[in-house]
Amino acid sequence: DAKTTQPNSMESNEEEPVHLPCNHSTISGTDYIHWYRQLPSQGPEYVIHGLTSNVNNRMASLAIAEDRKSSTLILHRATLRDAAVYYCIHMESSNTGKLIFGQGTTLQVKP
Amino acid sequence: DAGVIQSPRHEVTEMGQEVTLRCKPISGHNSLFWYRQTMMRGLELLIYFNNNVPIDDSGMPEDRFSAKMPNASFSTLKIQPSEPRDSAVYFCASRRNRGLAKNIQYFGAGTRLSVL
Repeated sequence: DAKTTQPNSMESNEEEPVHLPCNHSTISGTDYIHWYRQLPSQGPEYVIHGLTSNVNNRMASLAIAEDRKSSTLILHRATLRDAAVYYCIHMESSNTGKLIFGQGTTLQVKP
Repeated sequence: DAGVIQSPRHEVTEMGQEVTLRCKPISGHNSLFWYRQTMMRGLELLIYFNNNVPIDDSGMPEDRFSAKMPNASFSTLKIQPSEPRDSAVYFCASRRNRGLAKNIQYFGAGTRLSVL
């Protein structure tokens, strides 16, 4: 089971911020939250991951709720190239490295 | 680095034929994963290797599927005999299983397989 819940689709306007939500209510204290995205006709690519604290990198920010049962991926200024399927993945702390993908959120960016 | 390299990019074959998909992981990576993507089932993990050894093949659909990793720089996924329901995009991914980047998987561009 994917163990995460995401909206099927979202829309955004170009150059505006986008907040992509994810629920992971069964997460345990040592499990990581990962985000990958898949652009059309490409393989998935890593976006960001975190455990407890909010995380920032050059692609995005990850805001993790205090109870860790939900998180939000933030794209600060969406571009047309950010149109993709975004996957929120809950990786168990045993860290076999396995990624269990759900259906993800399809993000459309309008010019 | 060239990234994860998969070949062929596209494969069209007839039912009953043997199909071999190839993957070259990123140099220095010691875990390798094979995934399959279809519209109906999304992205599914088929099998993964650590240090060339198969660790978990519970996702392999049936005995017609087999995967090997004879060395750290090459892996194959074979389907024999192929069936139309095997039509999908097959992705290979690799990662370094230690250090700061150990949680990050890098995916190839995929092989689109069509079985007629």
